[in-house]
Amino acid sequence: RKEVEQDPGPFNVPEGATVAFNCTYSNSASQSFFWYRQDCRKEPKLLMSVYSSGNEDGRFTAQLNRASQYISLLIRDSKLSDSATYLCAVWGKRGSTLGRLYFGRGTQLTVWP
Amino acid sequence: SAVISQKPSRDICQRGTSLTIQCQVDSQVTMMFWYRQQPGQSLTLIATANQGSEATYESGFVIDKFPISRPNLTFSTLTVSNMSPEDSSIYLCSVGITGGGSEAFFGQGTRLTVV
Repeated sequence: RKEVEQDPGPFNVPEGATVAFNCTYSNSASQSFFWYRQDCRKEPKLLMSVYSSGNEDGRFTAQLNRASQYISLLIRDSKLSDSATYLCAVWGKRGSTLGRLYFGRGTQLTVWP
Repeated sequence: SAVISQKPSRDICQRGTSLTIQCQVDSQVTMMFWYRQQPGQSLTLIATANQGSEATYESGFVIDKFPISRPNLTFSTLTVSNMSPEDSSIYLCSVGITGGGSEAFFGQGTRLTVV
């Protein structure tokens, strides 16, 4: 089973729509969770961290559900500029090492006018 | 965050040759990673670059093919050896500033084409 599972989409939504992405993770001991945004032919950039209590940054809301082992990203009032691929990432430890980030395969979002 | 400079940004190489990619960070970082990303695919971790010791490779990646150096806390190199067209990909350097559990930041990537 993969460490992180993410629906690849694509999601095609009109401007102003609300769209939600989900990611599930397999390691219940995971402690840190993130959402990244990747534009075409660019490197991933950190969008936001995901905290246990949920957190909001403008039109973006991230939530963590530890019981069901998933994280979500909600984008309200979509803009054309939100078109990108969104990757979830989960930090997992391996033995005595510091661990590493496990990435989902990314969800492609296209916002149309 | 950190400013990460990755070079070269792109290259076209002949099969059988090797390419070394450099990653320079503007501050000392705890962790450095090397990823590969095939077109339309997600990120695949090649290895964790350890300062002063051998890199930790993920399953499917070996030191002979992808030797990695990390002489200090701000610099690392990844070499793609004896290249074949299957090595054509984007290679990304990533750093974790504060250690285990922290977010990672990425260099701009190296777009490699092997002909």
